[in-house]
Amino acid sequence: SWDLTQPPSVSVSPGQTASIPCSGDNLSNKYVSWYQQKPGQSPVLVIYEDTKRPSGISERFSGSNSGNTPTLTISGTQSLDEADYYCQAWDGSTLYVFGTGTKVTVL
Amino acid sequence: QVQLQESGPGVVKPSETLSLTCTVSGYSISSGYYWGWVRQSPGKGLEYIGSVFQSGSTYYNPSLKSRISISVDTSNNQFSLRVTSVTAADAAVYYCVRDVVGGKKYYMDVWGKGTTVTVSS
Repeated sequence: SWDLTQPPSVSVSPGQTASIPCSGDNLSNKYVSWYQQKPGQSPVLVIYEDTKRPSGISERFSGSNSGNTPTLTISGTQSLDEADYYCQAWDGSTLYVFGTGTKVTVL
Repeated sequence: QVQLQESGPGVVKPSETLSLTCTVSGYSISSGYYWGWVRQSPGKGLEYIGSVFQSGSTYYNPSLKSRISISVDTSNNQFSLRVTSVTAADAAVYYCVRDVVGGKKYYMDVWGKGTTVTVSS
C-alpha cells in the first residue's frame, strides 16, 4: 500500500513558524491537501491542490509541494492553531490516502 | 451553506451490518460532486472508506471493498454506507464528506460532524 508519513508532533512557540512535511512516493506528481482537526471536532480543509486556501481559512496557513515533499506551514502560530494536521493525496487509482498525522503544540 | 449530517445506530453487534445515512442540506446531490465516508478509530488517524457519485458510480477502499457498499438517494438528498460482518476493528467515528474529484484534484471540502459507532454484543 502507498503510505504518507508525517512527524508525530511539532512544537512551536507563539508567533513562530511551524512546518509539517508529508513524505511519500511520487508526491511531486500529485496534488496534496491538508486538514486540521481539533479535539472532538471533525477535520477542516485548510489547503487543497498543494497551495490553495479555502475561503475562510487564515492566511497564516500556506502549502508548498517542491522537491517531492509537500509541506504545510503555519506562520505566526497562535494557540488556536493547536490541533492535529493530516496531509492527503489520491493514489491514482481508487484510494484516498491520509498521512499519519502531526500534533501541533504551541508552547 | 452546505451541511452534512450523519445518522444511524450508535451500537452494532459483532458480525452484523452497520448502516449509516448522510443527509445533505444546502446543496442538491444531483448537481454534482462525489459524496464519501471517512472513519477514525479511537485515538487513530483518518481512513478513507469510499465515495459515490450521483449516478451511483463508486470508489471503494480496496482493503474494505468486500464488506462495504455506498449508495445514493437523490430524491431524499442522502447517501448511505453499509458495512457487513462488523468486528471491533470497525468501531470508529464515521464522517460523511463532500468529495471534489476531477483531473488531479482530489480533496474533501465539507465534512459532517461525525457519528460514533461502537461494536458490542
